[in-house]
Amino acid sequence: DVKVTQSSRYLVKRTGEKVFLECVQDMDHENMFWYRQDPGLGLRLIYFSYDVKMKEKGDIPEGYSVSREKKERFSLILESASTNQTSMYLCASTRLVGRGVYGYTFGSGTRLTVV
Amino acid sequence: GQQLNQSPQSMFIQEGEDVSMNCTSSSIFNTWLWYKQEPGEGPVLLIALYKAGELTSNGRLTAQFGITRKDSFLNISASIPSDVGIYFCAGHQGAQKLVFGQGTRLTINP
Repeated sequence: DVKVTQSSRYLVKRTGEKVFLECVQDMDHENMFWYRQDPGLGLRLIYFSYDVKMKEKGDIPEGYSVSREKKERFSLILESASTNQTSMYLCASTRLVGRGVYGYTFGSGTRLTVV
Repeated sequence: GQQLNQSPQSMFIQEGEDVSMNCTSSSIFNTWLWYKQEPGEGPVLLIALYKAGELTSNGRLTAQFGITRKDSFLNISASIPSDVGIYFCAGHQGAQKLVFGQGTRLTINP
């Protein structure tokens, strides 16, 4: 089974800090995604990547950037953390679930609190 | 970006009851997926639906892909305490990108 590992389960950072959230997958998948999850809003796509050094903006990219230097690693960067970025962050990698359809395998999430 | 409308947002039921939740969209989707998220974990895939009208089961879970391709339903029969969690629907938008609903939080009273 694909394993998607997020480096931290909980983080507390100060406003203005630069924050790195790391995600690693072990199945050589091309596609990786970063979502944030907030109550009542579900999962919202921040950025995704289809290959090394490739990145595309999702629905809410403002205040975030990403890095994909190696296929297995996809990093989310908060350039200057703000309190409205307090959230649960989920990384995902795609896998074929059947009939040409790709479902996501998610990491366990990083709960970030910005104070 | 587009989101799916999922309802209800939360459910409080007694153990043993059946559960129904649904997901609708203004756009057509070619596939529907249902995920469950347990506390402190990422969502895990439960069921994938590939064709309009398709009805698929996974144990006590049954999901249907609506005929119009704009909706999907998930039913859980005879709920048990480990069914607690947040259930998400997701629609496949091509290029391996998924759009998610807001989630249905299920709470079960023993």
